[in-house]
Amino acid sequence: GENVEQHPSTLSVQEGDSAVIKCTYSDSASNYFPWYKQELGKRPQLIIDIRSNVGEKKDQRIAVTLNKTAKHFSLHITETQPEDSAVYFCAASMYYGNKLVFGAGTILRVKS
Amino acid sequence: DVKVTQSSRYLVKRTGEKVFLECVQDMDHENMFWYRQDPGLGLRLIYFSYDVKMKEKGDIPEGYSVSREKKERFSLILESASTNQTSMYLCASSSPGAAYEQYFGPGTRLTVT
Repeated sequence: GENVEQHPSTLSVQEGDSAVIKCTYSDSASNYFPWYKQELGKRPQLIIDIRSNVGEKKDQRIAVTLNKTAKHFSLHITETQPEDSAVYFCAASMYYGNKLVFGAGTILRVKS
Repeated sequence: DVKVTQSSRYLVKRTGEKVFLECVQDMDHENMFWYRQDPGLGLRLIYFSYDVKMKEKGDIPEGYSVSREKKERFSLILESASTNQTSMYLCASSSPGAAYEQYFGPGTRLTVT
């Protein structure tokens, strides 16, 4: 089955700096890669996703890149702000959103 | 606005008890999921359902069962709770359309003593 590895497990950045979280997946049949953000005590929420026919997608300060050959994808957050502090989960799916396999999560701390 | 609700935020049960966790969504979603969340392990899929009365095992189904008698409701059952089932349980729902997003409930923190 699919396996998703995520790193780093924790990441501390200074406010205004960029943050990058990387994930690798094992099954080349995976075709959908979402990122979820979970603030402390709250439920995970989708922040951005990318499909296998796209190499990069941006939404304001966040972007995701996908390298299908290497089977890895990354989340980039620019100009980080304290409200970006949260746990971020990457995931992969072979069924366009159904049966997601999640990474272990990255705790992002933005220091002001 | 999608709303996914779970029956309890916090639950304390004893070893061997039968435990029911309920999830309700109000967006007429076909797909529903149960995950458990543990530090350092991310979210792991226990069971999911694509339709009423249909269920499929996820990655860690052992010790759990599910029931989906109505489209909006998906129940997770711990037949005989054990201490290693102490965890945060998250329900989610989605529609099998182009959006793909899974909407999560607030979670149930289950402690088995």
